[in-house]
Amino acid sequence: GNSVTQMEGPVTLSEEAFLTINCTYTATGYPSLFWYVQYPGEGLQLLLKATKADDKGSNKGFEATYRKETTSFHLEKGSVQVSDSAVYFCALSAPRRGATNKLIFGTGTLLAVQP
Amino acid sequence: DTGVSQDPRHKITKRGQNVTFRCDPISEHNRLYWYRQTLGQGPEFLTYFQNEAQLEKSRLLSDRFSAERPKGSFSTLEIQRTEQGDSAMYLCASSLEVGGGFFGPGTRLTVL
Repeated sequence: GNSVTQMEGPVTLSEEAFLTINCTYTATGYPSLFWYVQYPGEGLQLLLKATKADDKGSNKGFEATYRKETTSFHLEKGSVQVSDSAVYFCALSAPRRGATNKLIFGTGTLLAVQP
Repeated sequence: DTGVSQDPRHKITKRGQNVTFRCDPISEHNRLYWYRQTLGQGPEFLTYFQNEAQLEKSRLLSDRFSAERPKGSFSTLEIQRTEQGDSAMYLCASSLEVGGGFFGPGTRLTVL
């Protein structure tokens, strides 16, 4: 079945460090891929998405490229800030005829950025 | 429009009681999803509505769970005879397009 695997946390970085959170997926067909972020005490927010191979999603300095050959969608940011501390979820939606297009999530990666 | 809203935000109940949660999606969004999230895990799909029709239910949704979206706008999720294992965050999401979705703040259920 469809699934998402992301690196376990917590990931602890100093401010201005480079961030990578790995995400790989298993899916039939051509899924859409997403990164959601959950700040402390808040709901899930869509961070970025990509709907086809080689697409790059970007938002707020974060980027992720849809790599079909490696079935990956790694999240990167060149310089993290304390305000980026949150839990990051990788997710996929596998479109097919008549499907609900529900999201399948990874387990989440906690990022803690220290000043 | 202020996004997806859910009510209540927190619910504490005793085992065996019934609870009902409400979700108000973003207006004009025809797709509505319910998910459940337990500590340290990602959200898991429970059920999906397109307009007022419930088109898919997860195997996670036992017979004690029922969901409705009577007029294709707000939705309710009811849990009958709650069990301690039902303790979780219940999330609602809505969307207009295929894939993704905007999430509400969730209802945290604690079953004592």
